[in-house]
Amino acid sequence: EAGVAQSPRYKIIEKRQSVAFWCNPISGHATLYWYQQILGQGPKLLIQFQNNGVVDDSQLPKDRFSAERLKGVDSTLKIQPAKLEDSAVYLCASRGGGNEQFFGPGTRLTVL
Amino acid sequence: KQEVTQIPAALSVPEGENLVLNCSFTDSAIYNLQWFRQDPGKGLTSLLLIQSSQREQTSGRLNASLDKSSGRSTLYIAASQPGDSATYLCAVIGNEKLTFGTGTRLTIIP
Repeated sequence: EAGVAQSPRYKIIEKRQSVAFWCNPISGHATLYWYQQILGQGPKLLIQFQNNGVVDDSQLPKDRFSAERLKGVDSTLKIQPAKLEDSAVYLCASRGGGNEQFFGPGTRLTVL
Repeated sequence: KQEVTQIPAALSVPEGENLVLNCSFTDSAIYNLQWFRQDPGKGLTSLLLIQSSQREQTSGRLNASLDKSSGRSTLYIAASQPGDSATYLCAVIGNEKLTFGTGTRLTIIP
């Protein structure tokens, strides 16, 4: 079975610019997560979707971050405008019926 | 709020040695605990998942233990190899959410 796909793999932008990341979860997985991993730290949950509804976005900086999962499959995470401290790896994960989450390769964002 | 700690932050050992990585968590009301491996610039690879009712899980040279009452887990790597060099992250699973530790960066010296 295909894994979680993410694109792009790398992105370099200047501060105050906008950026979007895309995630395609494992087929049939209803739950999708976005994590932010700053260098030297563990991943931190940004948002959790169940199908196309938001379950938890308590740690999403909503003044600049937004995410959607319109048809309950693919998801996009957007940052507008980006700040220097947004430089991180953004990981997408999906989960089926069990407890295990499966992670994509991540998108490494550098904000200059 | 669940907090997960991993000590040490970095570890270097000669090839062939056995080693133990430690993970501790503050809230014992967890469902499962999972160990991941992360190579530089890459995503997370799941190594072992321990159900809350289990005390350990084994895969090849890896053995993970879980003691919920003391809030601790260990990852034992036998006969280490240079290819084991990576960052190892533990994560506790509670209420459908993963809470990660900060990881241990492991270097195996040939």
